[in-house]
Amino acid sequence: GAVVSQHPSRVICKSGTSVKIECRSLDFQATTMFWYRQFPKQSLMLMATSNEGSKATYEQGVEKDKFLINHASLTLSTLTVTSAHPEDSSFYICSAGLGRNEQFFGPGTRLTVL
Amino acid sequence: AQSVTQPDIHITVSEGASLELRCNYSYGATPYLFWYVQSPGQGLQLLLKYFSGDTLVQGIKGFEAEFKRSQSSFNLRKPSVHWSDAAEYFCAVGAGNTDKLIFGTGTRLQVFP
Repeated sequence: GAVVSQHPSRVICKSGTSVKIECRSLDFQATTMFWYRQFPKQSLMLMATSNEGSKATYEQGVEKDKFLINHASLTLSTLTVTSAHPEDSSFYICSAGLGRNEQFFGPGTRLTVL
Repeated sequence: AQSVTQPDIHITVSEGASLELRCNYSYGATPYLFWYVQSPGQGLQLLLKYFSGDTLVQGIKGFEAEFKRSQSSFNLRKPSVHWSDAAEYFCAVGAGNTDKLIFGTGTRLQVFP
């Protein structure tokens, strides 16, 4: 089946630093990848849609200069949280699109900003 | 606009009992519908999906769901729940011409021995 990996699974950083999260589709090519944020005991909130070779499309209210997304190849998208602050602490999940709205999800990255 | 409603925030069942998780959607055309399961601290795993055809869909782990257009529903069922089924369940609908998914708020399933 379609496998999506994320790295790192957990990261702790100091306030003001930047953190990069990688999302890879391991056994298929994904033209579109998605980045979600999930707060405890809540549903997934779509942050942005990442298209290979073009700029990401951000959802309303998501700061594109804070959450930098790069989709350099058909198997890799990265999310960089710039100048992270404690309020950015969250669970970040990526997914890779397979067409017809079908998405396969990575295992998630727990970000803690001190 | 598309939307998904999962009326039950939290459900508790005994192991071996049957299960039905409710999902209602709002969408103008024939929707693409999905059920995902999430264990604590993990990503989402696809249980099953409906695109077209047979309205009763079989998924992994013994789950099934039935698409009922007249009720705008896509309820998830399992005849006999196992303790390992305790998790968060999300229903989702495909958002029109984009590849986006619209998620419900989720239902937390607790299973007692």
